[in-house]
Amino acid sequence: GQQVMQIPQYQHVQEGEDFTTYCNSSTTLSNIQWYKQRPGGHPVFLIQLVKSGEVKKQKRLTFQFGEAKKNSSLHITATQTTDVGTYFCAGVVTNDYKLSFGAGTTVTVRA
Amino acid sequence: DAGVTQSPTHLIKTRGQHVTLRCSPISGHKSVSWYQQVLGQGPQFIFQYYEKEERGRGNFPDRFSARQFPNYSSELNVNALLLGDSALYLCASSIDLNTEAFFGQGTRLTVV
Repeated sequence: GQQVMQIPQYQHVQEGEDFTTYCNSSTTLSNIQWYKQRPGGHPVFLIQLVKSGEVKKQKRLTFQFGEAKKNSSLHITATQTTDVGTYFCAGVVTNDYKLSFGAGTTVTVRA
Repeated sequence: DAGVTQSPTHLIKTRGQHVTLRCSPISGHKSVSWYQQVLGQGPQFIFQYYEKEERGRGNFPDRFSARQFPNYSSELNVNALLLGDSALYLCASSIDLNTEAFFGQGTRLTVV
């Protein structure tokens, strides 16, 4: 079955630094979505990428979808304490509408 | 406008019992999905319903069942509870298939 892998599992970042989290799928995806979950909270939608090679930006967050539509990345610049949480990618395979979540990257920030 | 609402928020059950979890989607959303999230892991897909029909089923035993009502609300039922069923159960609604999912706060189920 389809598997979505995410690395790293944990990311400890100094405030103001940049970091990237990566997502890889064993199968080609129709789209990939990114969610953020704060401690004790529920996943909150961040972005959806559909096109091969697509790049989208949200302020300090940059999302990229690979050319083969099997991998994706989230890059955060100038990390702030508000970025604390777990970031999940979730892939959708064509004609199979379920979201397959990765295990997430849990981000902590040192002030 | 209300978001996705789930009830109850917390629940403690004994092994062998059954449980019913409820979800009300955002108004106008026709798709409801259920996920199980164990501590430290990503949500695992259980079911998806769209227009009251099951559109997807994850790798969960037959003890898990669900349905969607004419008003698009949904129930998740779990029979013969096991200790391993202890988890956060999340409901998500979306306008359509393949669109962004809005998650509820979840039901924290503890099986003792």
